[in-house]
Amino acid sequence: QLQLQESGPGLVKPSETLSLTCTVSGGSISSSSYYWGWIRQPPGKGLEWIGSIYNSGSAYYNPSLKSRVTIFVDTSTNQFSLMLSSVTAADTAIYYCARTLSISARFDPWGQGTLVTVSS
Amino acid sequence: NFMLTQPHSVSESPGKTVTISCTRSSGSIASNYVQWYQQRPGSAPTTVIYEDNQRPSGVPDRFSGSIDSSSNSASLTISGLKTEDEADYYCQSYDSSNPVVFGGGTKLTVL
Repeated sequence: QLQLQESGPGLVKPSETLSLTCTVSGGSISSSSYYWGWIRQPPGKGLEWIGSIYNSGSAYYNPSLKSRVTIFVDTSTNQFSLMLSSVTAADTAIYYCARTLSISARFDPWGQGTLVTVSS
Repeated sequence: NFMLTQPHSVSESPGKTVTISCTRSSGSIASNYVQWYQQRPGSAPTTVIYEDNQRPSGVPDRFSGSIDSSSNSASLTISGLKTEDEADYYCQSYDSSNPVVFGGGTKLTVL
Protein backbone atom coordinates (compact mmCIF):
# COMPACT_ATOMS: atom_id res chain seq x y z
CA GLN A 1 0.00 0.00 0.00
CA LEU A 2 1.47 3.30 -1.09
CA GLN A 3 2.15 5.77 1.69
CA LEU A 4 3.46 9.33 1.63
CA GLN A 5 5.05 11.21 4.53
CA GLU A 6 5.96 14.88 4.66
CA SER A 7 8.97 16.08 6.63
CA GLY A 8 10.75 19.35 7.25
CA PRO A 9 11.03 22.31 9.64
CA GLY A 10 7.86 23.34 11.39
CA LEU A 11 9.00 26.93 11.76
CA VAL A 12 10.46 29.19 9.09
CA LYS A 13 11.44 32.84 9.39
CA PRO A 14 9.92 35.48 7.12
CA SER A 15 11.86 36.06 3.87
CA GLU A 16 13.56 32.66 4.16
CA THR A 17 12.97 29.54 2.05
CA LEU A 18 10.57 26.81 3.13
CA SER A 19 11.85 23.31 2.29
CA LEU A 20 9.82 20.13 2.63
CA THR A 21 10.36 16.56 1.53
CA CYS A 22 7.82 13.84 0.81
CA THR A 23 9.01 10.27 1.26
CA VAL A 24 7.16 7.63 -0.75
CA SER A 25 6.98 4.08 0.60
CA GLY A 26 5.28 0.96 -0.68
CA GLY A 27 6.11 1.77 -4.29
CA SER A 28 8.76 3.32 -6.50
CA ILE A 29 8.44 6.95 -7.44
CA SER A 30 10.08 6.24 -10.81
CA SER A 31 8.56 2.94 -11.83
CA SER A 32 5.13 4.13 -12.86
CA SER A 33 3.49 6.97 -14.73
CA TYR A 34 2.33 9.14 -11.88
CA TYR A 35 2.62 12.78 -10.93
CA TRP A 36 3.56 13.84 -7.44
CA GLY A 37 2.03 16.98 -6.02
CA TRP A 38 2.03 19.49 -3.20
CA ILE A 39 -1.13 21.06 -1.80
CA ARG A 40 -1.43 23.42 1.16
CA GLN A 41 -4.18 24.50 3.53
CA PRO A 42 -3.92 27.61 5.73
CA PRO A 43 -5.39 27.04 9.19
CA GLY A 44 -9.18 27.06 8.98
CA LYS A 45 -9.16 27.68 5.22
CA GLY A 46 -9.45 25.75 1.96
CA LEU A 47 -7.08 23.77 -0.22
CA GLU A 48 -4.60 25.39 -2.61
CA TRP A 49 -2.61 23.47 -5.21
CA ILE A 50 1.07 24.43 -5.23
CA GLY A 51 2.44 22.28 -8.03
CA SER A 52 3.05 18.79 -9.38
CA ILE A 53 5.99 16.95 -10.93
CA TYR A 54 6.40 13.91 -13.13
CA ASN A 55 9.13 11.40 -12.37
CA SER A 56 11.01 12.68 -15.44
CA GLY A 57 11.30 16.04 -13.72
CA SER A 58 8.66 17.96 -15.70
CA ALA A 59 6.96 20.28 -13.24
CA TYR A 60 3.76 22.34 -13.28
CA TYR A 61 3.10 25.15 -10.85
CA ASN A 62 0.19 27.24 -9.63
CA PRO A 63 0.56 30.51 -11.59
CA SER A 64 0.03 32.52 -8.39
CA LEU A 65 3.05 30.86 -6.73
CA LYS A 66 5.19 30.02 -9.74
CA SER A 67 7.82 32.71 -9.17
CA ARG A 68 8.62 31.35 -5.70
CA VAL A 69 8.18 27.58 -6.10
CA THR A 70 10.51 24.77 -7.12
CA ILE A 71 9.55 21.10 -6.97
CA PHE A 72 12.07 18.38 -7.74
CA VAL A 73 12.21 14.62 -7.53
CA ASP A 74 15.02 12.37 -6.29
CA THR A 75 14.41 8.86 -7.59
CA SER A 76 17.44 7.49 -5.73
CA THR A 77 15.82 8.22 -2.37
CA ASN A 78 12.20 7.79 -3.52
CA GLN A 79 11.45 11.35 -2.46
CA PHE A 80 10.21 14.57 -3.97
CA SER A 81 10.68 18.00 -2.49
CA LEU A 82 9.19 21.48 -2.32
CA MET A 83 11.03 24.74 -2.00
CA LEU A 84 9.08 27.98 -1.49
CA SER A 85 11.16 31.14 -1.32
CA SER A 86 10.60 34.54 0.31
CA VAL A 87 7.95 33.26 2.66
CA THR A 88 5.59 35.49 4.64
CA ALA A 89 2.98 34.81 7.30
CA ALA A 90 0.52 34.12 4.47
CA ASP A 91 2.47 30.94 3.70
CA THR A 92 1.65 29.48 7.11
CA ALA A 93 -0.30 26.31 6.33
CA ILE A 94 -0.54 22.57 6.53
CA TYR A 95 1.42 21.23 3.57
CA TYR A 96 0.33 17.94 2.03
CA CYS A 97 2.01 15.78 -0.57
CA ALA A 98 -0.03 13.45 -2.76
CA ARG A 99 0.06 11.26 -5.85
CA THR A 100 -2.01 11.81 -8.97
CA LEU A 101 -2.44 9.68 -12.09
CA SER A 102 -2.22 12.69 -14.37
CA ILE A 103 -1.65 16.38 -13.89
CA SER A 104 -5.36 17.06 -13.45
CA ALA A 105 -6.66 13.83 -11.99
CA ARG A 106 -7.64 13.10 -8.41
CA PHE A 107 -5.01 13.20 -5.69
CA ASP A 108 -4.81 9.81 -4.02
CA PRO A 109 -3.30 8.96 -1.62
CA TRP A 110 -2.33 11.98 0.47
CA GLY A 111 0.28 12.29 3.17
CA GLN A 112 -0.89 13.18 6.66
CA GLY A 113 0.28 16.77 6.23
CA THR A 114 2.78 18.89 8.12
CA LEU A 115 2.17 22.31 9.66
CA VAL A 116 4.65 25.00 8.71
CA THR A 117 4.49 28.30 10.57
CA VAL A 118 6.18 31.39 9.22
CA SER A 119 7.21 33.60 12.12
CA SER A 120 10.26 35.39 13.45
CA ASN B 1 -8.64 31.67 -14.68
CA PHE B 2 -11.86 30.07 -13.56
CA MET B 3 -13.22 29.55 -10.07
CA LEU B 4 -15.27 26.82 -8.45
CA THR B 5 -17.84 28.20 -6.03
CA GLN B 6 -19.32 26.08 -3.24
CA PRO B 7 -21.78 26.99 -0.49
CA HIS B 8 -19.94 27.76 2.71
CA SER B 9 -22.03 25.36 4.75
CA VAL B 10 -24.99 22.97 4.59
CA SER B 11 -26.78 21.05 7.27
CA GLU B 12 -29.24 18.19 7.34
CA SER B 13 -30.57 15.55 9.67
CA PRO B 14 -29.40 11.93 9.90
CA GLY B 15 -31.09 9.68 7.37
CA LYS B 16 -31.87 12.55 4.99
CA THR B 17 -30.29 13.47 1.67
CA VAL B 18 -28.06 16.50 1.08
CA THR B 19 -26.64 17.94 -2.12
CA ILE B 20 -23.52 20.13 -2.30
CA SER B 21 -23.04 22.23 -5.43
CA CYS B 22 -19.86 23.34 -7.18
CA THR B 23 -20.40 26.05 -9.80
CA ARG B 24 -17.80 26.80 -12.44
CA SER B 25 -17.35 30.51 -13.23
CA SER B 26 -16.20 30.17 -16.84
CA GLY B 27 -15.73 27.35 -19.27
CA SER B 28 -18.00 24.34 -19.43
CA ILE B 29 -18.32 22.15 -16.36
CA ALA B 30 -18.78 19.20 -18.70
CA SER B 31 -15.47 19.74 -20.47
CA ASN B 32 -13.23 18.67 -17.59
CA TYR B 33 -13.69 16.04 -14.93
CA VAL B 34 -14.67 17.00 -11.39
CA GLN B 35 -13.41 15.25 -8.26
CA TRP B 36 -14.83 15.50 -4.75
CA TYR B 37 -12.89 15.13 -1.50
CA GLN B 38 -14.02 14.60 2.07
CA GLN B 39 -11.90 16.06 4.85
CA ARG B 40 -12.65 15.19 8.45
CA PRO B 41 -11.19 17.43 11.20
CA GLY B 42 -7.49 16.85 11.69
CA SER B 43 -7.18 14.53 8.69
CA ALA B 44 -6.01 14.74 5.12
CA PRO B 45 -8.63 14.81 2.35
CA THR B 46 -9.80 11.56 0.78
CA THR B 47 -11.54 11.07 -2.55
CA VAL B 48 -15.25 10.29 -2.47
CA ILE B 49 -15.99 10.93 -6.18
CA TYR B 50 -13.65 11.16 -9.17
CA GLU B 51 -14.24 11.78 -12.89
CA ASP B 52 -17.62 13.39 -12.19
CA ASN B 53 -19.45 10.31 -10.89
CA GLN B 54 -17.04 7.47 -10.13
CA ARG B 55 -16.70 6.10 -6.60
CA PRO B 56 -13.36 4.76 -5.37
CA SER B 57 -13.51 1.32 -3.81
CA GLY B 58 -14.54 1.55 -0.20
CA VAL B 59 -16.73 4.63 -0.64
CA PRO B 60 -20.37 3.71 0.07
CA ASP B 61 -22.94 4.07 -2.70
CA ARG B 62 -24.68 6.69 -0.56
CA PHE B 63 -22.23 9.09 -2.24
CA SER B 64 -22.93 10.08 -5.83
CA GLY B 65 -21.76 12.78 -8.23
CA SER B 66 -23.37 14.47 -11.19
CA ILE B 67 -22.91 17.28 -13.70
CA ASP B 68 -25.54 19.84 -14.78
CA SER B 69 -24.58 21.77 -17.88
CA SER B 70 -27.57 24.09 -17.59
CA SER B 71 -26.28 25.52 -14.31
CA ASN B 72 -22.63 24.84 -15.17
CA SER B 73 -22.24 23.04 -11.91
CA ALA B 74 -21.30 19.72 -10.39
CA SER B 75 -23.08 18.21 -7.43
CA LEU B 76 -22.20 15.77 -4.67
CA THR B 77 -25.21 14.02 -3.20
CA ILE B 78 -25.08 12.07 0.04
CA SER B 79 -28.14 9.99 0.90
CA GLY B 80 -28.99 8.27 4.17
CA LEU B 81 -26.85 10.77 6.06
CA LYS B 82 -24.83 9.49 8.97
CA THR B 83 -23.11 11.49 11.68
CA GLU B 84 -19.79 10.20 10.33
CA ASP B 85 -20.44 12.11 7.09
CA GLU B 86 -19.96 15.38 8.96
CA ALA B 87 -16.88 16.89 7.33
CA ASP B 88 -15.65 19.49 4.87
CA TYR B 89 -16.13 18.68 1.18
CA TYR B 90 -14.08 20.11 -1.69
CA CYS B 91 -14.56 19.92 -5.44
CA GLN B 92 -11.64 20.04 -7.87
CA SER B 93 -11.38 20.52 -11.60
CA TYR B 94 -9.06 21.97 -14.24
CA ASP B 95 -8.63 23.44 -17.70
CA SER B 96 -5.76 23.79 -20.15
CA SER B 97 -4.37 26.83 -18.34
CA ASN B 98 -5.05 25.75 -14.78
CA PRO B 99 -4.10 22.15 -14.07
CA VAL B 100 -5.66 22.05 -10.61
CA VAL B 101 -8.38 24.28 -9.15
CA PHE B 102 -10.13 23.60 -5.86
CA GLY B 103 -13.47 24.92 -4.72
CA GLY B 104 -13.56 26.84 -1.46
CA GLY B 105 -15.05 23.94 0.47
CA THR B 106 -18.39 23.23 2.13
CA LYS B 107 -18.85 22.35 5.77
CA LEU B 108 -21.48 19.65 6.17
CA THR B 109 -23.17 19.46 9.55
CA VAL B 110 -25.30 16.42 10.34
CA LEU B 111 -27.58 17.35 13.21
